[in-house]
Amino acid sequence: DAMVIQNPRYQVTQFGKPVTLSCSQTLNHNVMYWYQQKSSQAPKLLFHYYDKDFNNEADTPDNFQSRRPNTSFCFLDIRSPGLGDAAMYLCATSTGGAYNEQFFGPGTRLTVL
Amino acid sequence: DQQVKQNSPSLSVQEGRISILNCDYTNSMFDYFLWYKKYPAEGPTFLISISSIKDKNEDGRFTVFLNKSAKHLSLHIVPSQPGDSAVYFCAASEGNRDDKIIFGKGTRLHILP
Repeated sequence: DAMVIQNPRYQVTQFGKPVTLSCSQTLNHNVMYWYQQKSSQAPKLLFHYYDKDFNNEADTPDNFQSRRPNTSFCFLDIRSPGLGDAAMYLCATSTGGAYNEQFFGPGTRLTVL
Repeated sequence: DQQVKQNSPSLSVQEGRISILNCDYTNSMFDYFLWYKKYPAEGPTFLISISSIKDKNEDGRFTVFLNKSAKHLSLHIVPSQPGDSAVYFCAASEGNRDDKIIFGKGTRLHILP
């Protein structure tokens, strides 16, 4: 089945220790998104790639970086996680354009100790 | 500043009755609206959408109504079934300009036996 896969599902890191979250897709979609969702909050878009074009949201902290080495994979790097970065991180893909539905992975829950 | 608001964090409805989930928005440039459904430990999945040129869209048991003058939309589920218990996210986009969608905080729907 075509899908969006996120690894790991649960990630524990220490305050200030860099961490990388992974997303892969078998849908061959052009666009990949990273969202942060804190408890009882709306998923908040951090950035997205349209093919290789990187689009950063204005309020995404510099602490968050992303890489998309090819169509299938996209990574979220948190350079120095703080306690406030503990959240669910959702990856999504689409064929492009907001009229097309986004397909979400199951998310990675990040805990910062 | 929330552009998409779901003011009811939770809603309980008896099985077989109608569930009505509400959503308000502030950005008059939004022209496309979506509902996503999320089960625990899974990513959100697309449910139904509506373009601003319509005031109603129906798909089986699910109907979305849009009132542009009031900047309000609602999702009706009838009849409600146990499998409908989930978190429902309202989302909106300026589809003609952007690849992004803005989510609300979600409403947790409980279907009671």
